[in-house]
Amino acid sequence: DAGITQSPRHKVTETGTPVTLRCHQTENHRYMYWYRQDPGHGLRLIHYSYGVKDTDKGEVSDGYSVSRSKTEDFLLTLESATSSQTSVYFCAISPGLAGPNEQFFGPGTRLTVL
Amino acid sequence: AQKVTQVQTEISVVEKEDVTLDCVYETRDTTYYLFWYKQPPSGELVFLIRRNSFDEQNEISGRYSWNFQKSTSSFNFTITASQVVDSAVYFCAQQNSGYSTLTFGKGTMLLVSP
Repeated sequence: DAGITQSPRHKVTETGTPVTLRCHQTENHRYMYWYRQDPGHGLRLIHYSYGVKDTDKGEVSDGYSVSRSKTEDFLLTLESATSSQTSVYFCAISPGLAGPNEQFFGPGTRLTVL
Repeated sequence: AQKVTQVQTEISVVEKEDVTLDCVYETRDTTYYLFWYKQPPSGELVFLIRRNSFDEQNEISGRYSWNFQKSTSSFNFTITASQVVDSAVYFCAQQNSGYSTLTFGKGTMLLVSP
């Protein structure tokens, strides 16, 4: 199994508070991704990173920011959480080689915003 | 733009029945990759298979088989003699060559009853 951990695994917070989710990998993969999973929407890409300090927006990036200061860590921040950001968040990694880029996923973080 | 459509939202079968999950994709690229992932009730996302656009050979792995047809832009997944442990949400995804991001379908929930 790919070495990917996410923390925290569960979090309950209140509207308007900042929240940071952490993804940590031990595979030294170049690419890292943040997705959210919601009923009826499947997996939607929030942001991704193609190297240290190199990030780009995904399909649903509004209200989220990311940072990657080390190869192994990719942080997702909700500056001011809203109830619409209640979701399950998955981190994924891929080697980023030319060609197919199957992604390997972390265990997920369940976030509830009250 | 890429699009992945998983035709069935939910499928219910009785154990030992065969079941096919349909996936239809849209892309303008001639080189691309297709994937299937499984998400069991425990919540993790498990990579099952990757298929390259230039390889239309069908693949079989135990009770699982995949049928890739470029002519109909489909990449269907069949489980033969289904078992209760096959109950999960299955996601189809597509990646264009030269890009690192995947586009996911919304998933098909498969329920296998004893």
